[in-house]
Amino acid sequence: QSVLTQPPSASGAPGQRVSISCSGSSSNIGSNTVNWYQQLPGTAPKLLIYSNDQRPSGVPDRFSGSKSGTSASLAISGLHSEDEADYYCATWDDSLIAVVFGGGTKLTVL
Amino acid sequence: QVQLQQWGAGLLKPSETLSLACAVHGGSFSGHNWNWIRQSPGKGLDWIGEINHSGATNYNPSLTSRVTISVDTAKSQFSLKLSSVTAADTAVYFCARGNYFDSSGFYYPTMYYLDYWGQGTLVTVTS
Repeated sequence: QSVLTQPPSASGAPGQRVSISCSGSSSNIGSNTVNWYQQLPGTAPKLLIYSNDQRPSGVPDRFSGSKSGTSASLAISGLHSEDEADYYCATWDDSLIAVVFGGGTKLTVL
Repeated sequence: QVQLQQWGAGLLKPSETLSLACAVHGGSFSGHNWNWIRQSPGKGLDWIGEINHSGATNYNPSLTSRVTISVDTAKSQFSLKLSSVTAADTAVYFCARGNYFDSSGFYYPTMYYLDYWGQGTLVTVTS
């Protein structure tokens, strides 16, 4: 059971927009910024979004993040086939004194 | 460019101690925290713990009795030891850099993200 809650799956057709939610509590998302990681099959996770809505250099602006209260969301617009991957939200938890991850969302591009 | 290169034994027997190391190439070693994360087959990411350059650590509460993370600042390396392993510890283990700084170099204590990752090491525990 993950501390952060994500839907196990999401899907969309090429060119469409999809959104992935991440729900937490006051001790994690409510107190700290949220990060999103993309993991392609057989590879290490890659930082996609940090500090709720910041994109590292090289990440396309098709990817965007937001946070409100104890929830966060990742949006991907103009879906590409290469966006098919697992997506994880994560943040720091002040009560656990630990990094906590969501269970991951498998994105399928139809 | 920052690169993390990790290595260690990939096949263990139950009750043995898992031992992995991660070398950091590029960037500032002392300005960041250094993390271990694992991923069981077909499962999600599970944070193991972190260490800073001074040796201060935080561990996942579920693993704290078996985990030791250490650092060698002279070599820009950090290591993971997990004792008394069982089949449940079979996973791909990743090392990663933790960052509190934004793109302008400002420090934010509520902003912590893992920006560079090692390639991963599959550790299998089997009798």
